[in-house]
Amino acid sequence: TQLLEQSPQFLSIQEGENLTVYCNSSSVFSSLQWYRQEPGEGPVLLVTVVTGGEVKKLKRLTFQFGDARKDSSLHITAAQPGDTGLYLCAGAYGGTSYGKLTFGQGTILTVHP
Amino acid sequence: NAGVTQTPKFQVLKTGQSMTLQCAQDMNHEYMSWYRQDPGMGLRLIHYSVGAGITDQGEVPNGYNVSRSTTEDFPLRLLSAAPSQTSVYFCASSSPDFAGRVNEQFFGPGTRLTVL
Repeated sequence: TQLLEQSPQFLSIQEGENLTVYCNSSSVFSSLQWYRQEPGEGPVLLVTVVTGGEVKKLKRLTFQFGDARKDSSLHITAAQPGDTGLYLCAGAYGGTSYGKLTFGQGTILTVHP
Repeated sequence: NAGVTQTPKFQVLKTGQSMTLQCAQDMNHEYMSWYRQDPGMGLRLIHYSVGAGITDQGEVPNGYNVSRSTTEDFPLRLLSAAPSQTSVYFCASSSPDFAGRVNEQFFGPGTRLTVL
């Protein structure tokens, strides 16, 4: 069973601050996804990264995939209260693991006005 | 398109009762999965399917059964409910990318289950 460690588990910051969430594994991902979940709803995909070293930007969110494809990070610049939510990373592994994702424990982000 | 639908939205069971959580998708996706979400533990995979007639166990399969007779439906059965199965259950569907990996997963709204 592949393990996917996500940190920190909780983040409470003021509006305008920057933050980074990390996702790490001892195994190589074939691809990695980041999701955001609002209370009472299912997760919604933010981005998928596939290539080692890849960087993707989504407005104030920057996603990076490690060169060895074992880690990823989500950086939010100038956080806003609307960014509040649960952020989840999810890794797809190759070989016989096709068809399934392994999720990290999640990061609960609270941005105070 | 309705996307992924789940019923019921809420359910309370007594220990030992059985029930089926329903999941349906209208996007013609090959892959479907069931997850449970507990505080501080993210989403844990229970069972998944890569096509009609094909299912496999995930990380926490004990106490649950699945079948996939059609592309659209993927019900989850609790055989004999236990308090440890109190959780929020999410069904998800996706299509594989060119390499067979899981593409964007579309999640249903979830079923909140309490076992007394």
